[in-house]
Parts: sequence; C-alpha cells; structure tokens
Amino acid sequence: DAKTTQPPSMDCAEGRAANLPCNHSTISGNEYVYWYRQIHSQGPQYIIHGLKNNETNEMASLIITEDRKSSTLILPHATLRDTAVYYCIAYALIQGAQKLVFGQGTRLTINP
Amino acid sequence: GAVVSQHPSWVICKSGTSVKIECRSLDFQATTMFWYRQFPKQSLMLMATSNEGSKATYEQGVEKDKFLINHASLTLSTLTVTSAHPEDSSFYICSARDSAVSTDTQYFGPGTRLTVL
Repeated sequence: DAKTTQPPSMDCAEGRAANLPCNHSTISGNEYVYWYRQIHSQGPQYIIHGLKNNETNEMASLIITEDRKSSTLILPHATLRDTAVYYCIAYALIQGAQKLVFGQGTRLTINP
Repeated sequence: GAVVSQHPSWVICKSGTSVKIECRSLDFQATTMFWYRQFPKQSLMLMATSNEGSKATYEQGVEKDKFLINHASLTLSTLTVTSAHPEDSSFYICSARDSAVSTDTQYFGPGTRLTVL
C-alpha cells in the first residue's frame, strides 16, 4: 500500500470547517484513499473513502486532486466531538490481501 | 453503518493466565476479520488476519502460539492471549470486512483494554 503523509497535529475552531490534508504521492491506480478517525480510547470509525472523484457523505467531504497525489478531508462544521486522531490510508482492494496499515495520523483538536 | 462489537470491553488478569476476547459482526457477515493492538500514544498495529474456516495469517513478529485466533463462524472471531504477561497489556481492537459490499470497507469494534498484573 502507498505511504501517506499527514501533519501530526492541527487545531480548528468550533463551527469552522476543518481541512485535513494527506499526501500520497506514490499511490497506484487501484488504491483507494480511506479516512478513519479514532476518538480517545475507542476503536477507529470509518469516515469516507474515494478513488478519483470527490466524495461527500453525512460526516465529511473528500477532495482528491486530479493527479491523485494528495487529498483533503473536510469536516464542514467542526464540533468538539470531532476532536480525534484522523488517519488517511491508501488501500488497494486486492482479493485476499486487504490490510489497512495505519500511520501516525493527524491529531485534530477542536477548540471552543 | 455496520456494527462490530467486542467483549469484554476491559479485563484485568493475573500474569500467567489466558484471556479470550470476542469480536462479533452484528448486522453483516464477515469472511475476514482483523486483530490490532495499540499501545499508549501509538498507532494501531496489525497483528493478524482472521479468515473464516481457515488458519489465521499473522504479521511478522507476532507469536501465533501466544495469540490464538479462531474464526469459527461468519460473525465471530476470538483472540486468546495465552499465558499473559504485563508486557501484553494493551488495547486490542478487531475489525471486520463487509464482504457483501463492493468497496470492502472495514468496520472496527470498540476495543478491549487488557491489563495484566
């Protein structure tokens, strides 16, 4: 799986949009970009994923650059409950070899 | 979204005893489940891949005789930490892959905190 690079930490004001960047310059054509988050002492929570097109769901939006070398997760109106570690993972859906490899992620702190 | 449960949520045991942790997919079938371990202030580390009806595949450096994995049904995988020692104290998390969904998303359980005295 492609290596991803994320800033170790970010701060955002409550009510503002939180934009979390991820670099995956070595991503291959069959690798999806997945985002998970982990709130303290809980299991990771799936947020969103995409391949080439931008995606949006009830939790967030995912913007993937045209060359697919980077992406941005957007939490449109951050709340205090969005404070968590966010993981960006490049993941290939190869039959029999699916393994999510977690990096260090970005520790996002939402401030009141 | 799909729900994965773990039991127990926390356990304290004496050194030398064995501890079994259950992972269940509640509303979907999972031919593949994964077991992770997480130490304080660190990221998740994959321990093994559990396949229904076959032997688990362990990551390099993970002792298969110490961490016994059984995946006897499409909704249940168990991890048994045998002869636990204080260094095995950690946060153990499972995930299950929803094989009915084309995107193969993995969903995680809430984790089990193991403390070995």
